[in-house]
Amino acid sequence: KAGVTQTPRYLIKTRGQQVTLSCSPISGHRSVSWYQQTPGQGLQFLFEYFSETQRNKGNFPGRFSGRQFSNSRSEMNVSTLELGDSALYLCASSPRGLDLSGNTIYFGEGSWLTVV
Amino acid sequence: TQLLEQSPQFLSIQEGENLTVYCNSSSVFSSLQWYRQEPGEGPVLLVTVVTGGEVKKLKRLTFQFGDARKDSSLHITAAQPGDTGLYLCAGPLHSGGYQKVTFGTGTKLQVIP
Repeated sequence: KAGVTQTPRYLIKTRGQQVTLSCSPISGHRSVSWYQQTPGQGLQFLFEYFSETQRNKGNFPGRFSGRQFSNSRSEMNVSTLELGDSALYLCASSPRGLDLSGNTIYFGEGSWLTVV
Repeated sequence: TQLLEQSPQFLSIQEGENLTVYCNSSSVFSSLQWYRQEPGEGPVLLVTVVTGGEVKKLKRLTFQFGDARKDSSLHITAAQPGDTGLYLCAGPLHSGGYQKVTFGTGTKLQVIP
């Protein structure tokens, strides 16, 4: 079956702008989670959506937001971009949310965001 | 401060050598997962360990969960160039009423043919 699909793959934005990233999960998966990966901070959890509701969130400022649609597709938005927001943004889907025991989280290839 | 510290940070070895990567924490985890991430791709799950002292084998890869469930190791026997990538451990974390996933600092492995 098709994997997790993220668009766009690469984008460049200017400081102060906002950006929206899209994620299509594996068919049948209701949980979509988002992550930020940078060389300095590594891979960090942003938030998780399950059945259109934000169920869990990490320690990121309110500039980072998301939503999930009834078909489980998800979008992540970052407003007022800062240079430090340059990162690989990964989306993942799973059938059982963030329960790691006996559950597989499938990652997409990511969206590379560069803020200049 | 990272909850999961991995060592070494970088490892460059010749094909055929053995290696061990460590994932350590001062906290107890109910489970730990290991992922491999290749350049330009997202992480791919290799294994989940749940029971303290558990050992799991995946072909040439051997994973162990510490008895106290605070640490884990990944041992690769006779490394191949295809093993090249970023190895990440990850564990569940409950904080502030939320469930999260926390990832280790990562070990970047390069296997030279």
